[in-house]
Amino acid sequence: DARVTQTPRHKVTEMGQEVTMRCQPILGHNTVFWYRQTMMQGLELLAYFRNRAPLDDSGMPKDRFSAEMPDATLATLKIQPSEPRDSAVYFCASGYQGSPLHFGNGTRLTVT
Amino acid sequence: GQQVMQIPQYQHVQEGEDFTTYCNSSTTLSNIQWYKQRPGGHPVFLIQLVKSGEVKKQKRLTFQFGEAKKNSSLHITATQTTDVGTYFCAGTHRDDKIIFGKGTRLHILP
Repeated sequence: DARVTQTPRHKVTEMGQEVTMRCQPILGHNTVFWYRQTMMQGLELLAYFRNRAPLDDSGMPKDRFSAEMPDATLATLKIQPSEPRDSAVYFCASGYQGSPLHFGNGTRLTVT
Repeated sequence: GQQVMQIPQYQHVQEGEDFTTYCNSSTTLSNIQWYKQRPGGHPVFLIQLVKSGEVKKQKRLTFQFGEAKKNSSLHITATQTTDVGTYFCAGTHRDDKIIFGKGTRLHILP
């Protein structure tokens, strides 16, 4: 059964450190979404890609967050420098255009 | 901007009672999707509605898409303990952006 794979599952880091989260979308899917989940804000859309091209990253704090797809099998989300308010669960999801999303298990980030 | 509002935020029901969550978009949607997330898990796709006025059923779950393709609802008949979780609607906009509502957390009282 094909799955979206996210690494790491958990990350604890100190404020100011760089954090890199990785996502392997399901083979053949042409869209990739990054969401951040917190109790207060729910699932916030950070960025999304189609055919590896970034379509919208307006949900991300531009000064510290960056999202890329270096190839079709890897999407990355980087935070530099990290801050305590970035603590959340970060989900990657992939799909076909106009079709449902398949979510990874998420990366639980804690910034102290 | 593109927003998807979902109510209620929380719902406690006795086992066997019905449950409904409502979703409303600020703009017309291409489609609406519903997801369920169990505690500690990730959102899992339930269903997608595409046509204006569409109604779909999955066993005890009934999903509706409004005529204007701006609102939707999920109704669960005779809730069971296995229904516990958070239910999210997600609206697909014309630019293919998928915006999630904040979800409704369903708690079942035995």
